[in-house]
Amino acid sequence: GQQVMQIPQYQHVQEGEDFTTYCNSSTTLSNIQWYKQRPGGHPVFLIQLVKSGEVKKQKRLTFQFGEAKKNSSLHITATQTTDVGTYFCALNTGNQFYFGTGTSLTVIP
Amino acid sequence: DTAVSQTPKYLVTQMGNDKSIKCEQNLGHDTMYWYKQDSKKFLKIMFSYNNKELIINETVPNRFSPKSPDKAHLNLHINSLELGDSAVYFCASSQGQGPLPYTFGSGTRLTVV
Repeated sequence: GQQVMQIPQYQHVQEGEDFTTYCNSSTTLSNIQWYKQRPGGHPVFLIQLVKSGEVKKQKRLTFQFGEAKKNSSLHITATQTTDVGTYFCALNTGNQFYFGTGTSLTVIP
Repeated sequence: DTAVSQTPKYLVTQMGNDKSIKCEQNLGHDTMYWYKQDSKKFLKIMFSYNNKELIINETVPNRFSPKSPDKAHLNLHINSLELGDSAVYFCASSQGQGPLPYTFGSGTRLTVV
């Protein structure tokens, strides 16, 4: 199956610092979703982006869909220890649905 | 009131055994999935069922056999377990196929010794 690269693979930040993870595809996407998985937990749906250049916010989280619909980013402002976990993008190409490789975020108090 | 429930949560078994994992969803969704998450946290789809019909069957050893008795249940049976089968298995569901939000179960951590 296809692997969708996310960068970075791991990120350690001090509490209060910002964090960004990127999801890149070689093909044009119809939409993209983002999920968060807490340590020991299961993936939980955060948001779906559909339109080119779309930007959505959820409190300290900002999600962006690229103009060409080939990439997306998730930015967290002023991280907190509750942000710890692995963030996955999930994307649809044609009739296939793939999860990204994930970015594991560690927040140091 | 758990939306997608899996049992058991933990499963430790010896090589060569046969085991099953059960999944049930009460969301009224018509599509269910099995995903395998390895130690590097990569989520790989194994199977997808829509209204009890197999839609996706990725390259998975035929020791793995899904069964969907109705659209609210999708079970996974594994024959002749191997060490490499150790992973976390997630069941998920969605309304319809394709790019729709998935609701995941809490996972089954399978350890083969």
